[in-house]
Amino acid sequence: TQLLEQSPQFLSIQEGENLTVYCNSSSVFSSLQWYRQEPGEGPVLLVTVVTGGEVKKLKRLTFQFGDARKDSSLHITAAQPGDTGLYLCAGAGNAGGTSYGKLTFGQGTILTVHP
Amino acid sequence: NAGVTQTPKFRVLKTGQSMTLLCAQDMNHEYMYWYRQDPGMGLRLIHYSVGEGTTAKGEVPDGYNVSRLKKQNFLLGLESAAPSQTSVYFCASSYSRHVGEQYFGPGTRLTVT
Repeated sequence: TQLLEQSPQFLSIQEGENLTVYCNSSSVFSSLQWYRQEPGEGPVLLVTVVTGGEVKKLKRLTFQFGDARKDSSLHITAAQPGDTGLYLCAGAGNAGGTSYGKLTFGQGTILTVHP
Repeated sequence: NAGVTQTPKFRVLKTGQSMTLLCAQDMNHEYMYWYRQDPGMGLRLIHYSVGEGTTAKGEVPDGYNVSRLKKQNFLLGLESAAPSQTSVYFCASSYSRHVGEQYFGPGTRLTVT
């Protein structure tokens, strides 16, 4: 069974601060996604990382996939109140496996950015 | 394009009652999934389908059944609801079994009393 440990579970910061969310596993994933979810809505895909060591930037968000494809991080620079939400990491498959696109989700990080 | 839609949005059931949740997608995706989301536990996969007429068990399948008679629809059934099935249910679809990118519906909040 593949597990993804996401930390921290809660993050409460002031506008303008930087933050990092971590997603760790002992399993290798073929790809890893980050989703953002707002109250009363479904998760929305932010990014997919596929290659070990890959770094992707989305405006003030930076996503990194670990070299061994077992971990990932999400860094937000100069957080804004609009960044508030639940952030979920999700790993797809394993190297050489047939996963049918099934995802293993972390527990989520609830981020609150205060003005 | 509506993407992924789910009905109903909210439902309250009494223990022992049955119901069906409907998921529909208009993106011609082959793969569809049903998840439940509980506080502090992320999303857990209930059942999934890799194409019309196929279904398979996920991580927490007990107490649920599914059907995929048409490619665009994926139904989740609860035959005899229990309080432990109080949760928010999400349907998702995907075009690729390799990359794993999924598109989610808005969810159904189910309460079983």
